[in-house]
Amino acid sequence: SQELEQSPQSLIVQEGKNLTINCTSSKTLYGLYWYKQKYGEGLIFLMMLQKGGEEKSHEKITAKLDEKKQQSSLHITASQPSHAGIYLCGAVSSGGYQKVTFGTGTKLQVIP
Amino acid sequence: DADVTQTPRNRITKTGKRIMLECSQTKGHDRMYWYRQDPGLGLRLIYYSFDVKDINKGEISDGYSVSRQAQAKFSLSLESAIPNQTALYFCATSDARELDTQYFGPGTRLTVL
Repeated sequence: SQELEQSPQSLIVQEGKNLTINCTSSKTLYGLYWYKQKYGEGLIFLMMLQKGGEEKSHEKITAKLDEKKQQSSLHITASQPSHAGIYLCGAVSSGGYQKVTFGTGTKLQVIP
Repeated sequence: DADVTQTPRNRITKTGKRIMLECSQTKGHDRMYWYRQDPGLGLRLIYYSFDVKDINKGEISDGYSVSRQAQAKFSLSLESAIPNQTALYFCATSDARELDTQYFGPGTRLTVL
């Protein structure tokens, strides 16, 4: 089965700083979702990457897919307290887009 | 109003009790999912349904059952709850026309004593 490893597991940054979260798959990535979860709440869809080298941005959050490395990175520029939460990646397997394996998440705290 | 709703939001119950968690959606999606989230284990798929007549087991279906009453409703039952079913449960929906991007409900926090 596919496994996803997210790093770091947790991160504390000062407001205004940039940060990067990585998601590495044990198998080929056919697609990759990024979600944000506020503590104890539902997941909010951020973006989906399909092709190697694809890069998408949503406000100050940019994600990129590196097919060869079987990895995706999520970069936040000039972090704000509103960015705090848990970021989860979800990988699409050969089984299709409806079968997604999720990582365990990266917990982000932004200190004002 | 939220597109995907879950009831109840919180529930405390005792070992051996039967519990039903309900999910409703107004997104018009055919596909619905139930996950549980545990600290350090991420989200794990319990059951999924591609339409009213199609129900499939996920990776951790033992101890759970589901019912797809209508396109918009998908309920999860714990026939005889046990403490290790204490978790945060999420319902999600998707549509093949949106590459099955999953949209999640707010979650139900279930505690089994």
